[in-house]
Amino acid sequence: NAGVTQTPKFRVLKTGQSMTLLCAQDMNHEYMYWYRQDPGMGLRLIHYSVGEGTTAKGEVPDGYNVSRLKKQNFLLGLESAAPSQTSVYFCASSYDPGRPYEQYFGPGTRLTVT
Amino acid sequence: AQSVTQLDSQVPVFEEAPVELRCNYSSSVSVYLFWYVQYPNQGLQLLLKYLSGSTLVESINGFEAEFNKSQTSFHLRKPSVHISDTAEYFCAVSDLTGFQKLVFGTGTRLLVSP
Repeated sequence: NAGVTQTPKFRVLKTGQSMTLLCAQDMNHEYMYWYRQDPGMGLRLIHYSVGEGTTAKGEVPDGYNVSRLKKQNFLLGLESAAPSQTSVYFCASSYDPGRPYEQYFGPGTRLTVT
Repeated sequence: AQSVTQLDSQVPVFEEAPVELRCNYSSSVSVYLFWYVQYPNQGLQLLLKYLSGSTLVESINGFEAEFNKSQTSFHLRKPSVHISDTAEYFCAVSDLTGFQKLVFGTGTRLLVSP
């Protein structure tokens, strides 16, 4: 089991460029989440999905879009990157009936927008 | 809506000394409570959780936390820390809606020195 994987690990973008972050999980989890981590602010939920084909907004969704076309994948898109989106992005998944309310996190993607 | 307060951004401590990391939460509904740990350059891992039952919960590596409903607290303690406990610790809450979304505190960096 690879668990939760994220691609890429690092990326530098110029303002206005677009990119997609890929999250994949092999645990057959229903729920998936995208967070951003900023110094002194903890983790904040961007978007989440409770099943294939469904997505919902979290605490800080502006400037991001998501898609969950396959159960194992959750994509986070930045259509026009801004310096305020410089952050570390974490994907997580959950809903293992044997381990309720445990979220499994990926290793993160460090994004810098110049 | 829920919120989590971790008043200490950094806690320095000597090896083998006891430590307490404080967490207070605010919520108008019942919540589940969690502590996650993040080692340098890694994703978050669940350390322990309170869902119901005994208010004292323990982790496999010697940490414990006690849910205090009257004080809306969930402080994390360890009687004797090791160098390897150096990490950032996040307190989090989730309501009982079933989507298992987490609201995180801003984190406490535990620095253990010899």
